[in-house]
Amino acid sequence: QSVLTQPPSVSAAPGQKVTISCSGSSSNIGSNYVSWYQQLPGTAPKLLMYENNKRPSGIPDRFSGSKSGTSATLGITGLQTGDEADYYCGTWDGSLSAGVFGGGTKLTVL
Amino acid sequence: EVQLVESGGGLVQPGGSLRLSCAASGFTFSRYWMSWYRQAPGKGLEWVANIKEDGSDKYYVDSVKGRFTISRDNAENSVYLQMNSLRVGDTAVYYCTRDNNYASDSWGQGTLVTVSS
Repeated sequence: QSVLTQPPSVSAAPGQKVTISCSGSSSNIGSNYVSWYQQLPGTAPKLLMYENNKRPSGIPDRFSGSKSGTSATLGITGLQTGDEADYYCGTWDGSLSAGVFGGGTKLTVL
Repeated sequence: EVQLVESGGGLVQPGGSLRLSCAASGFTFSRYWMSWYRQAPGKGLEWVANIKEDGSDKYYVDSVKGRFTISRDNAENSVYLQMNSLRVGDTAVYYCTRDNNYASDSWGQGTLVTVSS
């Protein structure tokens, strides 16, 4: 059981937009920055978004992040088949003094 | 270019020990927190532990407290994870990461730890 809650799967057609939600509590998302990671099949995770809504260099602006209260959202526009991957949200939990992650969301581009 | 290379994984019996190593290059190692994560087969990511730039602060996920120890050698640009009293549930790919801007911005390729009799 993950501390952060993500939908197990989302899907959309190529070219469309999808959002992935990440829900937490006041001790984690509510008081710390959220980061997002993309894990393509058979590879190590890659940082997609940090400090809620900042993209590392090389990440296209089709990817966006936002946070409101104890929830965060990753948005992906102009979906491509190459975006098919597992996506994870993560943050620090001040009560646990530990990093916490969501269970991951599998994106299928139909 | 930032590079993180994990090593030390393998097959170990329940109750046994392993020491994972992560060799870092391409950045000033002593200026960054470092973390270990793991991913059990077919499961999601789990943060395991992290360590401050100078090694003075360390944090662990509850399930490994008292069994795992994270450490670093800034002279060797390496971070380690000593794993004792291993359990079947510790079976996973273990990743080393560099932490920056409240996120893990660089990941190694991972090393597989299998705990089985």
